[in-house]
Amino acid sequence: QKEVEQDPGPLSVPEGAIVSLNCTYSNSAFQYFMWYRQYSRKGPELLMYTYSSGNKEDGRFTAQVDKSSKYISLFIRDSQPSDSATYLCAMTRGGADGLTFGKGTHLIIQP
Amino acid sequence: DTAVSQTPKYLVTQMGNDKSIKCEQNLGHDTMYWYKQDSKKFLKIMFSYNNKELIINETVPNRFSPKSPDKAHLNLHINSLELGDSAVYFCASSPRDSRVNEQFFGPGTRLTVL
Repeated sequence: QKEVEQDPGPLSVPEGAIVSLNCTYSNSAFQYFMWYRQYSRKGPELLMYTYSSGNKEDGRFTAQVDKSSKYISLFIRDSQPSDSATYLCAMTRGGADGLTFGKGTHLIIQP
Repeated sequence: DTAVSQTPKYLVTQMGNDKSIKCEQNLGHDTMYWYKQDSKKFLKIMFSYNNKELIINETVPNRFSPKSPDKAHLNLHINSLELGDSAVYFCASSPRDSRVNEQFFGPGTRLTVL
């Protein structure tokens, strides 16, 4: 079993839809959870991070962490064609620990 | 105003050669990293370098050696390049005092070994 599982997609939805992206993980030592967005041939861009269980909202984006289920989610409201990208979940124990990434979900927002 | 920069952006070379990739960050961060993204887009940590302490990922061959001339730079030197080294290599950095360890990535270096 991989440490972090993420459905690679592609996930195709119409513009304006609510998008739900998810990851599961197996290492209970992970404390910090992040979502990155990566456009084609670009570096990953940090969208949001959360600590432990709970919700965090930033504009159209909401991140959720459920440590008891080892399950994290990213919701995108009012999706736009410019949201089309690969979304990577990542997690870490903290400190100078490297990030452990999911494989990324390729999201396509249809105009 | 680039935060994390890498050179070169593209690198094409023959098997067996030695090459280096450079990384610089102007964010004042203390910790820097190298990641490898393979052809299936899977991003995996190779090294982290924090305050002169190098943490090596045990799965990385010793042909790969990071070198940090100062806090703002972390270069990656690769000896005896192999076909399987073809990938995109990303440099990242994070603040020293960050317990969250949010990392900021460079644009990547696309390495092709022929």
